[in-house]
Amino acid sequence: EAGVTQFPSHSVIEKGQTVTLRCDPISGHDNLYWYRRVMGKEIKFLLHFVKESKQDESGMPNNRFLAERTGGTYSTLKVQPAELEDSGVYFCASSQLDRDYEQYFGPGTRLTVT
Amino acid sequence: SQQGEEDPQALSIQEGENATMNCSYKTSINNLQWYRQNSGRGLVHLILIRSNEREKHSGRLRVTLDTSKKSSSLLITASRAADTASYFCATDAGLDYKLSFGAGTTVTVRA
Repeated sequence: EAGVTQFPSHSVIEKGQTVTLRCDPISGHDNLYWYRRVMGKEIKFLLHFVKESKQDESGMPNNRFLAERTGGTYSTLKVQPAELEDSGVYFCASSQLDRDYEQYFGPGTRLTVT
Repeated sequence: SQQGEEDPQALSIQEGENATMNCSYKTSINNLQWYRQNSGRGLVHLILIRSNEREKHSGRLRVTLDTSKKSSSLLITASRAADTASYFCATDAGLDYKLSFGAGTTVTVRA
């Protein structure tokens, strides 16, 4: 069974540009989470989808971040315009609907904003 | 605010020795989990302990949970070079199961 996949693995962009990160959850997992770790700090929750609906987006830092999950399958996280403080590693995780706590993480996307 | 905090921040041990790291948290939890992250890779789930459990074992891993002290420990016995990684504790509370992570403990196992 394929795990959670994320694309790209690494992105380097200039301040002010736009970047879109993609996450493909494990097939059949209705829960999808985004987390991020900025330099040297703890991993922080960004938002949670149940199928295509946003269940909780309390962790989204500001309106420069937009997450979507079309059709309840893969999800994208767009940062527009990117700022220096957005640099970090963005993780995606997925879980089954009745086993929310068993979250399987992807390898992460390392975002560098210069 | 940070829910889980690991201690120590960094640990260097010789292969074959045991490694112990601790995690403290602030609020009541449903579950506490430990994850490992090897350099440049994703988070790998190691073990989950529920709030009504006190100790759990998985291979060379032993996790304890003390809800009265709001703390947990992860013991890795007979460490190997491949155990070199960052270790994170994560807690979930409430109904939504979003995880709260600590800053992690970086473990280096010297051959």
